[in-house]
Amino acid sequence: AQSVAQPEDQVNVAEGNPLTVKCTYSVSGNPYLFWYVQYPNRGLQFLLKYITGDNLVKGSYGFEAEFNKSQTSFHLKKPSALVSDSALYFCAVRDLRSGATNKLIFGTGTLLAVQP
Amino acid sequence: DVKVTQSSRYLVKRTGEKVFLECVQDMDHENMFWYRQDPGLGLRLIYFSYDVKMKEKGDIPEGYSVSREKKERFSLILESASTNQTSMYLCASTLRLAGATGELFFGEGSRLTVL
Repeated sequence: AQSVAQPEDQVNVAEGNPLTVKCTYSVSGNPYLFWYVQYPNRGLQFLLKYITGDNLVKGSYGFEAEFNKSQTSFHLKKPSALVSDSALYFCAVRDLRSGATNKLIFGTGTLLAVQP
Repeated sequence: DVKVTQSSRYLVKRTGEKVFLECVQDMDHENMFWYRQDPGLGLRLIYFSYDVKMKEKGDIPEGYSVSREKKERFSLILESASTNQTSMYLCASTLRLAGATGELFFGEGSRLTVL
């Protein structure tokens, strides 16, 4: 079965320190991988995606993610965290069975808390 | 920019009431989705639609129905609301192309409380 896992419910980091939010996936075939961010009482906003090519993907707000095929991971990173980065982060993988419907399978989310 | 608008941000309903959640997108997207978000469970797909009047069940369709009479509008209907349907409901849309990368565009969400 296709799935995505976010092993940490919450990540705490001090402002100015690097941050990592972990994601692992399980799909048969080449994955399309996504990161979304959700601020309190808001919808999800697209951050970045990996489809093919360079394993390091750069996205919005200074975030980047590294695709690692051997470890089936797609961790979200930022060199220097800001308090305003505090939010709920979701990893997602495209359901390869969905064809042109482009359904996504989401992880359970990781709450990032950046302390000043 | 793509805009997905959910007409009701906050609703409070009573058990047994019929509830309509409306979603409109302005980018001519074929695919539209309704997700439910609950703490610790992430986003779960309720229903999706890939064209006008076309719909398919997602992972948790029980207790819900949908309507897609126009391309831009996708409605979620709770025929008889129950307390276990208290949740955040998220609408999303995307292009229907085999080569599309699948990026979803989300509305702001509708937080429903059923008393």
